[in-house]
Amino acid sequence: AQSVTQPDIHITVSEGASLELRCNYSYGATPYLFWYVQSPGQGLQLLLKYFSGDTLVQGIKGFEAEFKRSQSSFNLRKPSVHWSDAAEYFCAVGASVTGGGNKLTFGTGTQLKVEL
Amino acid sequence: KAGVTQTPRYLIKTRGQQVTLSCSPISGHRSVSWYQQTPGQGLQFLFEYFSETQRNKGNFPGRFSGRQFSNSRSEMNVSTLELGDSALYLCASSLGAGSTDTQYFGPGTRLTVL
Repeated sequence: AQSVTQPDIHITVSEGASLELRCNYSYGATPYLFWYVQSPGQGLQLLLKYFSGDTLVQGIKGFEAEFKRSQSSFNLRKPSVHWSDAAEYFCAVGASVTGGGNKLTFGTGTQLKVEL
Repeated sequence: KAGVTQTPRYLIKTRGQQVTLSCSPISGHRSVSWYQQTPGQGLQFLFEYFSETQRNKGNFPGRFSGRQFSNSRSEMNVSTLELGDSALYLCASSLGAGSTDTQYFGPGTRLTVL
């Protein structure tokens, strides 16, 4: 069964500082990986996704993530955080095998606080 | 293009009642998935529909059911509500039902069971 671990429940960074949110996955094959962001009272917005190819993927709002098969990781990064980035971030894995549908398995989320 | 619409946005029910939540996908999208979000269990997959057929179901009791209509709109129903059913219910739509089809989420319906 697929699973996702986000080790950090809360992270606080200063505005302008760099950010890295950790994500580890468990999946029998090459996974499809996603990062979503959720602001208070909102649904989930897709930041970026990885299916195959270049292991460094660029997303919206200046975010990027790197797929590392050897470490089963898909960490999210941003070089300079803005106050508006404060939100909850979810890593998710999707089934890459035929017939797996588009069910997503989410991590427990990381709450990001940005200090001004 | 309008995003995913969920109605109602907020709902208060009492134990034992039943509830129906509605989801209108993005125009042209044929797949709809439902997720439950709670502080304790996080985001959990409920079910997935494509062309009016349930293709995948999560590990939830039979009190949770859903359906999809010919216009791709979907409803989910929870019968005999329990306190633990209080959650944010999120709907997501995608063009197709493949795992590479990006899912777009609605704002959710906040259900409170008293």
